[in-house]
This record gives sequence, structure tokens and C-alpha cells, in this order.
Amino acid sequence: GENVEQHPSTLSVQEGDSAVIKCTYSDSASNYFPWYKQELGKGPQLIIDIRSNVGEKKDQRIAVTLNKTAKHFSLHITETQPEDSAVYFCAANWMKGYSTLTFGKGTMLLVSP
Amino acid sequence: GAGVSQSPSNKVTEKGKDVELRCDPISGHTALYWYRQSLGQGLEFLIYFQGNSAPDKSGLPSDRFSAERTGGSVSTLTIQRTQQEDSAVYLCASSPKPAYPNEQFFGPGTRLTVL
Repeated sequence: GENVEQHPSTLSVQEGDSAVIKCTYSDSASNYFPWYKQELGKGPQLIIDIRSNVGEKKDQRIAVTLNKTAKHFSLHITETQPEDSAVYFCAANWMKGYSTLTFGKGTMLLVSP
Repeated sequence: GAGVSQSPSNKVTEKGKDVELRCDPISGHTALYWYRQSLGQGLEFLIYFQGNSAPDKSGLPSDRFSAERTGGSVSTLTIQRTQQEDSAVYLCASSPKPAYPNEQFFGPGTRLTVL
């Protein structure tokens, strides 16, 4: 099956700084990599995803990069704001008769004003 | 449109009691997933539904856990004879298609506390 490692487990930055969260995956057949943001008391919300036919995708202050050769992908948040504070999960898909996701253990991001 | 909804939002029960957790997926979504999230932990897969059938129950931690889905829509996760280690947030997610990788949309979760 798929194994997803996520680092760091916690990340503290000052407002306006950039934040980077990194994930590695094990199954070379994985071709879909979503990122979820989970605020306190809420379910995870998809914020950006990337498929294996592209190397980078950007949406305003959020970007994701994918290196298929190295089997790692990263989330980049620029100009961080206090409302970016949350737990972020990466995931990778794999096929076990159907397409499913394996999640990293999460990164708690704290943005201080 | 309406997202995935779950009820109750919080459930406190005594050890040994049975509980039922409900998930209403997004209308038209054929795939439905249940996950468990223990405090400060990641997402632990429990079960996957395609329509009303559950082709993958491999994540259910014990035979005290069961789930069903009726009419290809609402799903219920039942935990019998609850134990304190069952305390966690139970999350439900749905997807529009079962095959090609696609987004999973999560509900807000049910926080279960077993005293």
C-alpha cells in the first residue's frame, strides 16, 4: 500500500513569512496529491491538489510542487496570515481495487501576529 | 449546495453502551468513506462504500464496529459496547466517482467521548 510521511509536525511562523510543508510518498503509481486544511472543531477542507502530469500549481498565496522522481510534494504558503493557522494534511492516492487516499499525520501551523 | 453533514456533532456515552453516528453525503456522490481521528493524530481509514455495498471494511478496528448505507445515500456507523479507546472524532467523506482519483469532501465530524 501507500505510505505518506509529512514534516514538520509543527511549524510556527510570524505573520507575513512563508511556510513550507513537505511530504513523501512510497507508491510510484500514485497520481493525485491533495492538501487539506483542518481548523479547530471542523472537518478537513480541500485547499489545493495536484495531479502527476504537472509539476506545480498555484492558487493565490498557496502553491504545491511535485517531484515524481523523488516522490515528494510540498505545500507553500506565502504572506502568511493568522487565519492560516490550522492543521494541514497531505495525501496521496493509490489503487486497491478502487481509488483511495492515504494521509500524512498532519502539520500544525501557527501564524503569530 | 449543501456539503456533507454529520450528526450528532458531539456524543458522550458511558462505557459499554452502543452508539450510532450518521453521515449525509453530498447528493449524487456514490463513494462514501468513514475515518477516525484520535486527538492530535492523523486520519485513520475505517470503511469505504460504493453505493450501498462496502467493498472495503479493512479499517474497522474490531467486530464491535459496523456500518451500513441505505439508498446509496445516508450512512450509519455503529459502535457496540463502546470502550474508552473509542473516544475520537469520526469523520465522513464523500466523492462523486469511485474510480479515477478525485476529491473527498469531508463533513464536520462527530466527537465521541466514552466515559
